[in-house]
Amino acid sequence: DAGVIQSPRHEVTEMGQEVTLRCKPISGHNSLFWYRQTMMRGLELLIYFNNNVPIDDSGMPEDRFSAKMPNASFSTLKIQPSEPRDSAVYFCASRSGTRENWNQPQHFGDGTRLSIL
Amino acid sequence: DAKTTQPTSMDCAEGRAANLPCNHSTISGNEYVYWYRQIHSQGPQYIIHGLKNNETNEMASLIITEDRKSSTLILPHATLRDTAVYYCIVSYGNKLVFGAGTILRVKS
Repeated sequence: DAGVIQSPRHEVTEMGQEVTLRCKPISGHNSLFWYRQTMMRGLELLIYFNNNVPIDDSGMPEDRFSAKMPNASFSTLKIQPSEPRDSAVYFCASRSGTRENWNQPQHFGDGTRLSIL
Repeated sequence: DAKTTQPTSMDCAEGRAANLPCNHSTISGNEYVYWYRQIHSQGPQYIIHGLKNNETNEMASLIITEDRKSSTLILPHATLRDTAVYYCIVSYGNKLVFGAGTILRVKS
């Protein structure tokens, strides 16, 4: 079975440029999560969606960050304008969950390694 | 979500069982214990989770104490490929809060 698919795997761009990270969750999963990992702060939750609706974006660092989920099989995380401090590995995760089965684990993609010069 | 405490690092001989402890003394009744691991440059990999009963799957066993204030992840026959950072997380619902985890080094 295909896991969570993220693209691109690596992105190098200059500060000020717009960056778009993409994620395809596991088919049938109805929750999607975006995380960021840095040496200083570890792995942090940025935002998550249930049934394509953003539920909690309290982890989004600034207005420069935005995330969308136009349908159940695709999500984007956009940074505009990008800054060097946004350099990190960004992970997407998905899980299935219902009221009766809310404890299902999240499954992660292999991440996008972002470098802002 | 409850906070967890894990040792910073552990060593294990190849072929032996690796026992990774986790303290979660403030866990609430509806919070599950999840274990993930992260091998360098990869995304976190789900291992196992449980509420109060011991659990076993093809990767590992999870032993949760009766008072649920601590747990142990057991890798029965560690291999070099099990070298990774192991995260113990307690959570209700959607949020997973990752701590620093335990660096497990499996040595030949």
